[in-house]
Amino acid sequence: AQSVTQLGSHVSVSEGALVLLRCNYSSSVPPYLFWYVQYPNQGLQLLLKYTTGATLVKGINGFEAEFKKSETSFHLTKPSAHMSDAAEYFCAVSSSGGYQKVTFGTGTKLQVIP
Amino acid sequence: EADIYQTPRYLVIGTGKKITLECSQTMGHDKMYWYQQDPGMELHLIHYSYGVNSTEKGDLSSESTVSRIRTEHFPLTLESARPSHTSQYLCASSELGTRSSGNTIYFGEGSWLTVV
Repeated sequence: AQSVTQLGSHVSVSEGALVLLRCNYSSSVPPYLFWYVQYPNQGLQLLLKYTTGATLVKGINGFEAEFKKSETSFHLTKPSAHMSDAAEYFCAVSSSGGYQKVTFGTGTKLQVIP
Repeated sequence: EADIYQTPRYLVIGTGKKITLECSQTMGHDKMYWYQQDPGMELHLIHYSYGVNSTEKGDLSSESTVSRIRTEHFPLTLESARPSHTSQYLCASSELGTRSSGNTIYFGEGSWLTVV
């Protein structure tokens, strides 16, 4: 079985400050890990993903995440928040194998304060 | 990135009406999904398909039904809509997982259903 825990359903940061959204996962096999962003009234857009190789993954809009196996974490960061980053962010995990389902976290709503 | 199209984007219908939410993808993905999401809430998988003539129920029980007659098309139907069905419905697709794709799911823009 696999699961995802996103710590903090709401996170507020000031414009220009560091963004840190936390995600911990549970998986019995090496995981695939994802971060998605959802703007109001939109579907989910893939920000970045880790499948294999380098553990620091860079995504769109200046976001990056680091896969830490020992901590079972995949936290999302951005050095400097922009107003346009205000959205809901979802972490997801999947096991290797073509028929494995993807499990989503409950989401973290990011507020950026001007 | 996959192109997934959902229609209608917004729909308001009366109780008891039958509705079909359309979903099409142009990337030839074998796997397709329907998620239900209330505003600001988590995603719930309600249906998925591994390919043509394959449909499975998801983690959340739903009164809706789906069909997969063509690879690119995965419509969702509610035979008799009720106010409790008011929600956003997200269609998605993915390749069979490989080391590079990693079961990456691509989403459509969503269909907002309001039943009055």
